[in-house]
Amino acid sequence: QKEVEQNSGPLSVPEGAIASLNCTYSDRGSQSFFWYRQYSGKSPELIMFIYSNGDKEDGRFTAQLNKASQYVSLLIRDSQPSDSATYLCAVREVGGGKLIFGQGTELSVKP
Amino acid sequence: GAVVSQHPSWVICKSGTSVKIECRSLDFQATTMFWYRQFPKQSLMLMATSNEGSKATYEQGVEKDKFLINHASLTLSTLTVTSAHPEDSSFYICSARDRKGTDTQYFGPGTRLTVL
Repeated sequence: QKEVEQNSGPLSVPEGAIASLNCTYSDRGSQSFFWYRQYSGKSPELIMFIYSNGDKEDGRFTAQLNKASQYVSLLIRDSQPSDSATYLCAVREVGGGKLIFGQGTELSVKP
Repeated sequence: GAVVSQHPSWVICKSGTSVKIECRSLDFQATTMFWYRQFPKQSLMLMATSNEGSKATYEQGVEKDKFLINHASLTLSTLTVTSAHPEDSSFYICSARDRKGTDTQYFGPGTRLTVL
C-alpha cells in the first residue's frame, strides 16, 4: 500500500512567521511531488511541483525534496492570514498517472 | 495557466434521479482526467481515472454502474451519478492531467451535489 503521510495539524503560526509543512512517502521509486492548497469549501489549487532533490523556490514558497529520506516539505515565508488553508502533499504513482494524496495539514496563520 | 471548468457548480436533486457533471479542460488537451469525491473534513478520494477514447478505470469499492464516466474528447469528461441517494451527497471534483510542459494535474472548481 503506497502511502503519503502528513501531520493533520492544525499548525498555527503568527503572521509574518515561516510555516513548515512536512510530508513523507513510502514508495522509494517516486519521482514527482506536488503541493496543493485547498481553502474550505473549494477545490485544490496547485502551488508547486518538484522533481529533483534540493530546494525549489517560487515567491514566498519553497519546496524541499530529499529522496534518500523520502521526505518533501513546503516552507511558506512571511505567512499571511490568507495562507490559512489545508495543504495537500501529493506523489505521483510510479509507472502511472494517479496522484497519491496525504490527508492534508491544516494551517492557521494568526494576525 | 491551465484551466479546468466544471458544470454545474452545485446541484440539488431528488432521490432516484440521475445527475450529470461535466469537466472541461479549457486551454489544454487532457488525455487523462480524474474524478474525486470529498466529504466534509475528509481528504480527497479518487473514484476513477478517465482516459480519452477508452473505458474508465475505477478504484476499489466504487460502483462503475452507479458512477458512469465518459471521456468522449480530449477536453471533456462527464460523470453521471445514477439513481442518486442522499448518501451520494458530496463534493465532486475533477482534475485533468496536462502531459505537456509540467505534466501536472489541475483541478476543476468542484460540484456540490445534494440529494434530497
